[in-house]
Amino acid sequence: ETGVTQTPRHLVMGMTNKKSLKCEQHLGHNAMYWYKQSAKKPLELMFVYSLEERVENNSVPSRFSPECPNSSHLFLHLHTLQPEDSALYLCASSQQTGLVLVPDEQFFGPGTRLTVL
Amino acid sequence: AQSVAQPEDQVNVAEGNPLTVKCTYSVSGNPYLFWYVQYPNRGLQFLLKYITGDNLVKGSYGFEAEFNKSQTSFHLKKPSALVSDSALYFCAVRDLDTGGGNKLTFGTGTQLKVEL
Repeated sequence: ETGVTQTPRHLVMGMTNKKSLKCEQHLGHNAMYWYKQSAKKPLELMFVYSLEERVENNSVPSRFSPECPNSSHLFLHLHTLQPEDSALYLCASSQQTGLVLVPDEQFFGPGTRLTVL
Repeated sequence: AQSVAQPEDQVNVAEGNPLTVKCTYSVSGNPYLFWYVQYPNRGLQFLLKYITGDNLVKGSYGFEAEFNKSQTSFHLKKPSALVSDSALYFCAVRDLDTGGGNKLTFGTGTQLKVEL
């Protein structure tokens, strides 16, 4: 499979569950991102990993925990979520050149539609 | 701080007619501007970008965008719309001079509906 893949595509979980979202990029990129997409709101950047190190954490609650074991994989671990966390979670990747992360021309996965009951 | 505004939640246009999707931005320094498109059940796809040079930028699928510094706008245009252009369109900005951190700032999106 090419591009950026995300699993699962749909997830329903209770507020006490623990689950993980998985993202894999097949583009040889070295930067990866998690976004939250809610209706009628701007896309919210959650986390940025560059060269497998977290370089941005946009005041995301601790019930969301990212993990980047290598440059191709990115996880978002979820626990004790709230109903307002229901949204489409998008993963993206881009190629960093040089020392400066240029987050442009990102390639997005199809997203995981998360519903918290 | 950097921000983007897309004033229209939805734009309706007849197939064959020209379309415009509006975007205005705010940055402290010089802007780096983007348009992305999202089709149903898909992630966002890059359409085009402006960093410097010619104010008219051409992108994928016949789309183009015009950078207007005095109006701080970057409207997306297409001379002749297709039904298959129906999708959600996002404008995004990064502040080149301050770096904008590691992020693009996206607008709320504009739903384009092209009808026969």
